[in-house]
Amino acid sequence: GENVEQHPSTLSVQEGDSAVIKCTYSDSASNYFPWYKQELGKRPQLIIDIRSNVGEKKDQRIAVTLNKTAKHFSLHITETQPEDSAVYFCAARRNFGNEKLTFGTGTRLTIIP
Amino acid sequence: DAGVIQSPRHEVTEMGQEVTLRCKPISGHDYLFWYRQTMMRGLELLIYFNNNVPIDDSGMPEDRFSAKMPNASFSTLKIQPSEPRDSAVYFCASSSTGTGVPNEQYFGPGTRLTVT
Repeated sequence: GENVEQHPSTLSVQEGDSAVIKCTYSDSASNYFPWYKQELGKRPQLIIDIRSNVGEKKDQRIAVTLNKTAKHFSLHITETQPEDSAVYFCAARRNFGNEKLTFGTGTRLTIIP
Repeated sequence: DAGVIQSPRHEVTEMGQEVTLRCKPISGHDYLFWYRQTMMRGLELLIYFNNNVPIDDSGMPEDRFSAKMPNASFSTLKIQPSEPRDSAVYFCASSSTGTGVPNEQYFGPGTRLTVT
């Protein structure tokens, strides 16, 4: 089955700086890669996703890049703000025939004011 | 839509007792997922359903756990008998497939289970 590894497990950055979280996956058939943000005591919520026919996707301060050859994808947050502090999870899934999402172990991001 | 609804939000029970967690997916969604989240093991998929039929229950830890989906608007996750190591936050999520492309999984608020 799919295995998703996520690094780093914790990350602290100064407010205004950029943060990068990286994930690798094992199943070459995976072609959907969402990122979820989970604030303390809350539910995971989708913040951005990317499909395998796209190398990069951007939404305001958040961007995700995908390298299918190397089987890794990354989340980039620019101009970080205190409200970006949360746990971020990457995930991978095949689009068809299997709706199962395999999650990474999470990255606790702390923005230092 | 009210989103995915879970009940109870908090459950405290003694070891050996039966626990039933409930979930109402978003109307029209045809996939329903049960996850367990702990500090040690992260977010684990326990089981998921498509059109009320269990598709993959390989994540169910043992026979003490069972899940049902009797109709499109209701699912239960039951633990019998419960043990302290079952203490975790249990999330239900749902998604829909439109035009053959899967969409976002929407998570419920979770049930925090404590087994003493």
